[in-house]
Amino acid sequence: DADVTQTPRNRITKTGKRIMLECSQTKGHDRMYWYRQDPGLGLRLIYYSFDVKDINKGEISDGYSVSRQAQAKFSLSLESAIPNQTALYFCATSVKLAGGYNEQFFGPGTRLTVL
Amino acid sequence: GQQLNQSPQSMFIQEGEDVSMNCTSSSIFNTWLWYKQEPGEGPVLLIALYKAGELTSNGRLTAQFGITRKDSFLNISASIPSDVGIYFCAGSGGTGRRALTFGSGTRLQVQP
Repeated sequence: DADVTQTPRNRITKTGKRIMLECSQTKGHDRMYWYRQDPGLGLRLIYYSFDVKDINKGEISDGYSVSRQAQAKFSLSLESAIPNQTALYFCATSVKLAGGYNEQFFGPGTRLTVL
Repeated sequence: GQQLNQSPQSMFIQEGEDVSMNCTSSSIFNTWLWYKQEPGEGPVLLIALYKAGELTSNGRLTAQFGITRKDSFLNISASIPSDVGIYFCAGSGGTGRRALTFGSGTRLQVQP
């Protein structure tokens, strides 16, 4: 079984709809992240959470919100989807290593299309 | 914020050739990571570097953490068709609470 799972894997929705993307992990990591990937732009950080009660905005948080329901679950919501939010979304997890280092492990991604 | 420049953007090579790609940062990093992404999948961690000057290998892959702490390179020796994918560098300029910054990726294609 995969350590980091994302649901759904693909979603097509319409402008203005509310969408939730879910991420679950069995790695026991305390840190979780949401990224967005657009062609030619690499991965951009939307939100990250170092603990259930510690949630932080990334570089492109506008239009998104998150919920850390438990250590193993981190959800990303688009309150009112718009077409330029069409992208590939990745969840990642990490654990703080000695010295504070931060290796991240990624889920398989959710392809979201907003019409 | 921190910026990473990754080059080249794409490479098309023959099987058996060696490959080199690099990343440079506008600021000092203390962690460099290299990932590979294949179509339809999430990035997979290949190599992690934590010390300036560190040289680490993973099979045919070798990566180095630059002495200035502002750059890193990844070499792939004797490329094979399954090396195809997008390679990303990622770095962090702090410890603990800092998130990673990703490069824009190098797309590698290997001609059998």
